[in-house]
Amino acid sequence: GAVVSQHPSRVICKSGTSVKIECRSLDFQATTMFWYRQFPKQSLMLMATSNEGSKATYEQGVEKDKFLINHASLTLSTLTVTSAHPEDSSFYICSARDLGTGTSGVSSYEQYFGPGTRLTVT
Amino acid sequence: AQTVTQSQPEMSVQEAETVTLSCTYDTSESDYYLFWYKQPPSRQMILVIRQEAYKQQNATENRFSVNFQKAAKSFSLKISDSQLGDAAMYFCAYREENNNDMRFGAGTRLTVKP
Repeated sequence: GAVVSQHPSRVICKSGTSVKIECRSLDFQATTMFWYRQFPKQSLMLMATSNEGSKATYEQGVEKDKFLINHASLTLSTLTVTSAHPEDSSFYICSARDLGTGTSGVSSYEQYFGPGTRLTVT
Repeated sequence: AQTVTQSQPEMSVQEAETVTLSCTYDTSESDYYLFWYKQPPSRQMILVIRQEAYKQQNATENRFSVNFQKAAKSFSLKISDSQLGDAAMYFCAYREENNNDMRFGAGTRLTVKP
């Protein structure tokens, strides 16, 4: 089955610092990756969509200079929260999708979710 | 923009009973996918069931089935023989045929009483 990992699972950082979250597709090539943010007791809100080798597309209201996304390879995307503030504290979830015909039995129309990263900014 | 509405913030069911979670969506597209995801306390999103809009037959996965009403833009999830492990947040989601991103409803918190 398709597995997506995230690292770290939890991170605490001080206000003003930057933190990087990694998202990896372990057994398939993810041509597209998605970053979601989830506040407590709320739904997942799409932050940005990234395609391998190109710039990410950000949703309205999401600051691209604050949330830097890099999708440098078909198996890795990173989200860097720059100059973090307490209001950035949230649960960040990545998701990956293979837009091809499907590799290693992975469905081409499903999104596979990582386990999430809980960010706390103090 | 497409929207997904889950009108039930919380639902409760007795163990072994059946419960139905509601979902409606708004779209002008004819080809799209619909999903139900489960999010347990671990926060890991787990796909429960999916439905392709072009298929008239309702999807079924063991104790989980959907009632897909395309004209009414309704996509409800029925859980039969509810188990304690079914307790979780359930999210309805929509994705267009030729679009990348998935849109989620607000979620329904399901409690299963022993």
